[in-house]
Order: sequence, then structure tokens, then C-alpha cells
Amino acid sequence: QKEVEQNSGPLSVPEGAIASLNCTYSDRGSQSFFWYRQYSGKSPELIMSIYSNGDKEDGRFTAQLNKASQYVSLLIRDSQPSDSATYLCAVNYNFNKFYFGSGTKLNVKP
Amino acid sequence: GAGVSQSPSNKVTEKGKDVELRCDPISGHTALYWYRQSLGQGLEFLIYFQGNSAPDKSGLPSDRFSAERTGGSVSTLTIQRTQQEDSAVYLCASSLLASSNSPLHFGNGTRLTVT
Repeated sequence: QKEVEQNSGPLSVPEGAIASLNCTYSDRGSQSFFWYRQYSGKSPELIMSIYSNGDKEDGRFTAQLNKASQYVSLLIRDSQPSDSATYLCAVNYNFNKFYFGSGTKLNVKP
Repeated sequence: GAGVSQSPSNKVTEKGKDVELRCDPISGHTALYWYRQSLGQGLEFLIYFQGNSAPDKSGLPSDRFSAERTGGSVSTLTIQRTQQEDSAVYLCASSLLASSNSPLHFGNGTRLTVT
């Protein structure tokens, strides 16, 4: 069983702070990693993908991958109240299998 | 371009009735996935299509659940003799191809309520 673990939260940060979301996965064969944002009552929306070790930046978002330690993280700089949502970590293994974590709820307080 | 389209957006049905949920993937996307999300829970994998074939049906909860895909495009998820525990949001997602680098793009889901 491939597992993807996330702290369910809620993670509360003040507006303007950095939010750090973490995810660990069990299978060393995992090949690609994705972060999705899900607002309450809405479907997941892709915000970041990362495939190789290191950091990948896109605007206020930075994804970090460490395959040796089997973790992937998402940093949100200058957090805004509109970033308040549940963030899902997804891991792709063997091309067609996606495994999702249960999500971390983020609250950004004005 | 158009995203993944699902219909209906909401469905209320009586226990024991059959329901059909439809998914129209992004044009050109060869892979199609069905997930289920119960209130406050994570995503539960149901089935995956590559073209019209379903190499992985391992997530279907029971034989009351079935799915098909025709023309490499539209997919239908059918739930027979619905039960109250089937109440959930059913999400469809598509990806460009069966590649580890192709992310999933989700539709808006069908909220199913079984009374």
C-alpha cells in the first residue's frame, strides 16, 4: 500500500507570513509530486508540480522535494486570506497511479 | 480551452435507485480517473481509464459500481441500487497521457445524496 501522509491541521498563520506544508510518502519508486488546493465545496486545483530534487518556485509558491528523505513540501510566501483552503499532496507512482494525502487545512488570519 | 465537465452537478436519489454520472474530459486527454470524496475526507480512488480500457478497477467499492468510457472520451460511472453510504462527491479527472509527469485536472464534481 502506497501511503501519502499529511498533517490534517488546521495550520494557522497570520497574513503576510510564510505557510509551510509538509508531506511524506512511503514508496521510493514515486516519480512525480503535485500540490493541489481545494477550497471548501470545490474540486482540487493544481498549483504546483515537482519532479526532481530541490526547489521549484512559481510566484509566491515554492515546492521542495527530497527523495532521499521521501518528503515534499510547499511554502507559501506572503500568505493571504484567500490562500485559506485545504492543500492536498499527490504522488504519482508507476505512471498511472496517483496517491493523495488527506490534506492539510490552512487558515490565514487577517 | 474547456476543462473537465461533469454532470449533473447535484443528484438526489432514493435508496435503491440506480444513478449515472457523466464525465467529459479535456479534449485530447487519454487518461481518465474517477475519485470519490466523502464530507471532510480525502480522495478515494475508484477507477482509471487509458483510452477506453480500464487497467485499474481496484478502487470500485462493490459490484454495484461500474464505469465505462466510449470513443476515448466521455465516461459514465453507474451506481446500482444506491445506498446511503454512497452519498459523496464524485470527482472525475483527466490527464494528457499515462505519464508520470502529466498531472490530473479535476472537474467540478457531482454531489450525490442518497435519501
